[in-house]
Amino acid sequence: QVQLVQSGAEVKKPGASVKVSCKASGYTFTSYDINWVRQATGQGLEWMGWMNPNSGNTGYAQKFHGRVTMTRNTSISTAYMELSSLRSEDTAVYYCARACSGGSCYYDYWGQGTLVTVSS
Amino acid sequence: SYELTQPPSVSVSPGQTASITCSGDKLGDKYACWYQQKPGQSPVLVIYQDTKRPSGIPERFSGSNSGNTATLTISGTQAMDEADYYCQAWDSSAGYVFGTGTKVTVL
Repeated sequence: QVQLVQSGAEVKKPGASVKVSCKASGYTFTSYDINWVRQATGQGLEWMGWMNPNSGNTGYAQKFHGRVTMTRNTSISTAYMELSSLRSEDTAVYYCARACSGGSCYYDYWGQGTLVTVSS
Repeated sequence: SYELTQPPSVSVSPGQTASITCSGDKLGDKYACWYQQKPGQSPVLVIYQDTKRPSGIPERFSGSNSGNTATLTISGTQAMDEADYYCQAWDSSAGYVFGTGTKVTVL
């Protein structure tokens, strides 16, 4: 069965970076995009960007340009999302989700979420 | 940027029909999908490509999309359907966009 398993909760200080992992299993990792979505407590879903594990190509939401980097290691079927220059407003649950490639797709599987807390 | 607007809340009695709207410019020209999210859980896809239901999603969930509005309809609403619902669409400039979210309360 398809599974996306994310790394554990993180606590970071303002200005630091965080790297969240998302390990895929149950399907061919390079056949689907991985997207990242975040959700602050009590707030809605916010799309951060996509990555194609086959090519390594990425696309980021304008809001996160310059602060987010999405990468992968195909040998272990794992995607990564690194967010830098953290501020308190980045405190949120971060999700990875699987989607087809090319836009106009949907997220059929989601990770369990990773809580990132930014606090001094 | 592209925006999708949903009503903040919808209330429905058990067994009745709940309709949740999602409004965006020329949304009918794009594919819309819908996610259900219960407290403390990851979102779950309930409708994709406007009208299709993933395997395992009950038939009481249905969708439509035309003009500027996509609609998620829950027929014969059950207590277990109480959750937050989000629409989503792809915009060529903005990327994936989520709606503002609707809290469905089953009274």
